[in-house]
Parts: sequence; structure tokens; C-alpha cells
Amino acid sequence: KNEVEQSPQNLTAQEGEFITINCSYSVGISALHWLQQHPGGGIVSLFMLSSGKKKHGRLIATINIQEKHSSLHITASHPRDSAVYICAVGYNFGNEKLTFGTGTRLTIIP
Amino acid sequence: NAGVMQNPRHLVRRRGQEARLRCSPMKGHSHVYWYRQLPEEGLKFMVYLQKENIIDESGMPKERFSAEFPKEGPSILRIQQVVRGDSAAYFCASSPIWGSGTTQETQYFGPGTRLLVL
Repeated sequence: KNEVEQSPQNLTAQEGEFITINCSYSVGISALHWLQQHPGGGIVSLFMLSSGKKKHGRLIATINIQEKHSSLHITASHPRDSAVYICAVGYNFGNEKLTFGTGTRLTIIP
Repeated sequence: NAGVMQNPRHLVRRRGQEARLRCSPMKGHSHVYWYRQLPEEGLKFMVYLQKENIIDESGMPKERFSAEFPKEGPSILRIQQVVRGDSAAYFCASSPIWGSGTTQETQYFGPGTRLLVL
């Protein structure tokens, strides 16, 4: 069974803290995506990665293919980072339908 | 370059009516995916289409739901005889043509259509 698990489900932190959100999956994948969803809003693709590490501003995503695990890090967190962060995986080249984790609700307190 | 567009953004229907949700992919994108997010649940895949072809509809309910992506115009997700359980946010995403089939492409999501069935 293809499963994607995220932890924690909810995370509250003070502004400025370093944030880590984890994602584990059960079978081999072609790529892993990190998405951001604001309350009542749309979905923004943050990263797509199949190996190694990617960085964009204060966001860093890493993936360990052998351990079937990925992490999303936010440095110097800010209240505007408050959102639901969703991990999603694709399993097949050529059919890139995504299987999603249940999301991590992040709240950054000023 | 406009992003993925969906309309309407909000749709209210009474039980038994039909709902039509539209998705215009980004310019140059020929792959469309529809996903559904039920209240307090995660996103689930529904259907994957390319122009004039349904590639994978394994996530579509067997009855009342259909999707198309014609040669011209937007992709349409159609729900006939809606029931309260169809109330959800429906997102479409598009991606460009991939080359050799050995790489993934980023999917760009639309703003979603929030369907409320009364």
C-alpha cells in the first residue's frame, strides 16, 4: 500500500525558530513534492525533488531515498509562514498523479 | 503568463443538480490532474487527462463523475445529481509535456473550486 505520513500534524512555534517537518513514504518514488496551503486558499508548489537537497530563500528541502524520508526546514520562521504544509509523492514517470500526506498545520506566533 | 485558472471559485448546488467545474491549464501545459479535498481530509487524486484523452481515472467515483479535456477549451469536471458528500474543494493542476519520460515535472495548482451542496 502506498502511504505518505507526515509529522507532526500540528506545530506551533515562536517567530524566529527553526522549523522541521518530516515526511515518510512506504515504497519507491519518482519524485517528492512539498506544497503549501494557506487557510481558505490555493496550493503553492514549494519544491519537487528526487534526490539530495534544494533551497529557496528560507526554505530547505532534503530527501533520503534509501530511508524513504524527506524533511522541510524553515529558517528564521515568520508569522506569514503559518500555513498547512503538504508532502506528496509521485510513483510513476509518465503518470505523475500525486499521493498526499495529511499535512502539517504550522502556526508561527509573533 | 497566467497561472492555472479555475472557475467558478465557489459553487453552490442543491442536491440532485449538476455541477460543472472548469480548469484552464497554464499556457503550454497539456497535462491536467484533478484532485479533491474533502472537509478536514487530505487531498486525493481523481483523474489525469491529456488533450482529448483520459489517462488515469482510478480515483474517480464510479458513478455521477466524469471529466474531459477537449482539444480546444478548458478541462471540465462534471458531477451529476450532486449529493451533500460531494461538498469539497476541487483542485486542478497542470504540468508541461515531459520529454523522455524519465523525469517528473512540477505541477502547478489552480486556486480551487469550493463546492457546497445544500
